Amino acid sequence: SQQGEEDPQALSIQEGENATMNCSYKTSINNLQWYRQNSGRGLVHLILIRSNEREKHSGRLRVTLDTSKKSSSLLITASRAADTASYFCATEVFGGATNKLIFGTGTLLAVQP
Amino acid sequence: EAGVVQSPRYKIIEKKQPVAFWCNPISGHNTLYWYRQNLGQGPELLIRYENEEAVDDSQLPKDRFSAERLKGVDSTLKIQPAELGDSAVYLCASKRLAGGSYEQYFGPGTRLTVT
Repeated sequence: SQQGEEDPQALSIQEGENATMNCSYKTSINNLQWYRQNSGRGLVHLILIRSNEREKHSGRLRVTLDTSKKSSSLLITASRAADTASYFCATEVFGGATNKLIFGTGTLLAVQP
Repeated sequence: EAGVVQSPRYKIIEKKQPVAFWCNPISGHNTLYWYRQNLGQGPELLIRYENEEAVDDSQLPKDRFSAERLKGVDSTLKIQPAELGDSAVYLCASKRLAGGSYEQYFGPGTRLTVT
């Protein structure tokens, strides 16, 4: 079953604009990760934020995590056509045999040149 | 370093036929995962291996699905017999260590179409 839900389901922007995607989840987590998936490169890890962190940056990516609201956001600044892809948040819970990564439903981002 | 390798990339079979997928994880990665991704959805875990031991197969439909990871390296996932609802992309991923916050590395997947 999916734990996370991304919002919006689809987003279309112009090149150079910023893109913001949100993720909500249901249970306590150890970390939250964002992945990108396109037909050319498959599913690729973008960034990981631990449950005791509130914000993290990597290049043009900025991720925030609010554990009290069980939500996260991914900001892509100065978007490029190559950023066109589906973006998934995934929550990881450690628990022996139940250690697993649970993906959300994804946001489809289209960056128009 | 080489990434996660999967084969075949595409497979079309008729229902009730068997099918097998193969995965070679990144060298040195002890943890291996099989996921199924339906169209328009995120991947869902089928089974997780720590070395050669299947430590979480709670979401694997055991009546028709089986998996193995001999010698704790390569892994195969089998469906027998396949049903129309099994059409999906089957993804293999590996991770360096079981615990700790580490990313998973995904293979390109096998797109299965059952007709």
